[in-house]
Amino acid sequence: EVQLVASGGGLVQPGRSLTLSCAASGFTFDDYAMHWVRQAPGKGLEWVSGISWNGENIGYADSVKGRFTISRDTPKETLYLQMNSLRAEDTALYYCAKDVGLGLVGAPFDSWGQGTLVTVSA
Amino acid sequence: EIVMTQSPATLSVSPGERATLSCRASQSISTNLAWYQQKPGQAPRLLIYDASTRATGIPPRFSGSASGSDFTLTISSLQSEDFAVYYCQHYNHWPPRAFGQGTKVDVK
Repeated sequence: EVQLVASGGGLVQPGRSLTLSCAASGFTFDDYAMHWVRQAPGKGLEWVSGISWNGENIGYADSVKGRFTISRDTPKETLYLQMNSLRAEDTALYYCAKDVGLGLVGAPFDSWGQGTLVTVSA
Repeated sequence: EIVMTQSPATLSVSPGERATLSCRASQSISTNLAWYQQKPGQAPRLLIYDASTRATGIPPRFSGSASGSDFTLTISSLQSEDFAVYYCQHYNHWPPRAFGQGTKVDVK
């Protein structure tokens, strides 16, 4: 059974940094691309960032480009999101999601974690 | 950038009735479209991919179709567990991105 367990969220002041982790199990981690998707309170889904199976293809939403960095550690089967220069508008529940494919072509997300909440406030 | 527009924002339906949700892409995305269901307090769940293929374990009352840049999710006979928010998402390129803003299906 695929499991994605996100952690690392919390309350952080504007301008500070936070790193999210997503521990994966139940599948061959380095066979799939992975993504972060966020959802602000009461709002819809926003794709944040994605990384291909080997880490060579990476993409970011314009809203986080230059501030967030996605990475993956295959031996640890863990996905990360380094978030710098946090803003109030980054407040959201952050989900990690597994891609159906390698991340060479577009594909849907077939498994989602339960999310970790990030609150940016003074 | 491709923009996904869903309609209506809210759909009020009685149990047992049919629900029809729409999603329009601002440019051609072939059939590279997925539908997700999200219930309160839960993560989204993949329902449909490639515009019309049901994901594993999804009951046949859920169906998807495409006509050009217009996509439709149909729930043939709404069950109590189907009241939720539904999102479309394109994956016409990698990385995939735009979700629609969602359609909430609630009880009439």
